[in-house]
This record gives sequence, C-alpha cells and structure tokens, in this order.
Amino acid sequence: GAGVSQTPSNKVTEKGKYVELRCDPISGHTALYWYRQSLGQGPEFLIYFQGTGAADDSGLPNDRFFAVRPEGSVSTLKIQRTERGDSAVYLCASSPNPGQVYEQYFGPGTRLTVT
Amino acid sequence: EDQVTQSPEALRLQEGESSSLNCSYTVSGLRGLFWYRQDPGKGPEFLFTLYSAGEEKEKERLKATLTKKESFLHITAPKPEDSATYLCAVPNQAGTALIFGKGTTLSVSS
Repeated sequence: GAGVSQTPSNKVTEKGKYVELRCDPISGHTALYWYRQSLGQGPEFLIYFQGTGAADDSGLPNDRFFAVRPEGSVSTLKIQRTERGDSAVYLCASSPNPGQVYEQYFGPGTRLTVT
Repeated sequence: EDQVTQSPEALRLQEGESSSLNCSYTVSGLRGLFWYRQDPGKGPEFLFTLYSAGEEKEKERLKATLTKKESFLHITAPKPEDSATYLCAVPNQAGTALIFGKGTTLSVSS
C-alpha cells in the first residue's frame, strides 16, 4: 500500500516568508507526527496529533510554527516569518495505534531552505 | 533527561567484515527501543523494536540486541547495499514521540 507522502519535496523561500508543508499519512493511521532533521542529527520531535487534535506540541520551537490536521488525515505544518535557522528536512510520520506501540512510518521529508 | 547516544559516528567496513553499532540510552522505564535505517535523501525506515533486556531480533544480515543500558546492531558479512545511516530511538516520557540518537553512518565497500 501507499506510504506516507510529503509535498513539496523541496522548498526554497526567502527569509520572512510564510511556508506550508503537507503530509499525507498512511490510510487508517490515527497518529501523526512531525519531526525536523538537521544535517548530521537525528530527527527532533515537533508535534504529535491523535486524530484531529494536537496531543503534544511541546517540540514546536516558537509561535512561528503551527500545524493542523482538520479531518484527522492530511496535516499541514505552517511556518510564519521564516528564518535561516529554520532550514532543515521536515519529516512526517504516522502510526496505526499510538496507545500500544511507537512504530512510526516516515515519509521522505520536505527539504526547506530559507535564503 | 532522557538521552540516546550512538557510537561510532561513522564506520567504514569492507564487504564481509562484520561489526557492531552501539546505542546507549538513559530513560526512566524503557518502553521500547527502535532501530531505523536512513538512506540519503529519504526518511527513516523502520527495522526493529526491542522491549526487554535479552531480546534479540534479526533481519537478513542485521541482528539487534538489548540490555538494560544499551542496544547493539550487529551486522554480519555486510554488503555495499547495507551502507546507510542507522538510527536508534526511544519513546519520550509522555509516550508521544521518539527521541533519536544522531545515528551511525555505515559505509561498506566492495
């Protein structure tokens, strides 16, 4: 079956601009996660959705970052007033049963470059 | 604070030369340790979950083991296609996300 998909695969934007990154999880997966990965580092947690609600947004670095999942499937990560330090690969993952295991399936990521 | 440390950062092997990667962790009440493989330009690919000390899991040339303080990923007779970054992770205290190590980048040459 189809895996997690993310669009766009690459995004280049100017400092100060607004960007949206999209994630389509595996069908039927109720849990959805956003991570950010910088070069040479492991993924770092940003936000976790259980259904439509953000169950844990403690990883969002500041209020310029926001994410939604209005129908419990597709999610959008939104970044306002982008800064060069936001440049990274943004990964989305989904999981079928968040209450039991944490086996997460990742998408290919969106590489964000802020110039 | 929960931490995950992987070593070495990079490992170069000849084809057929077996070795091990290490993942040490400090968490209160381990609820699973996860190994992922990541190829350049791609997202992490799930390999194994280990839940208790003494547990072992195998997949092709890979075998993961777990003790109370660390996990090893043993690679037997590696091939060039095993070249990748291997990441380990543990759940955070809230159980809402994975905490990843920085990974070990494995290069296998023929």
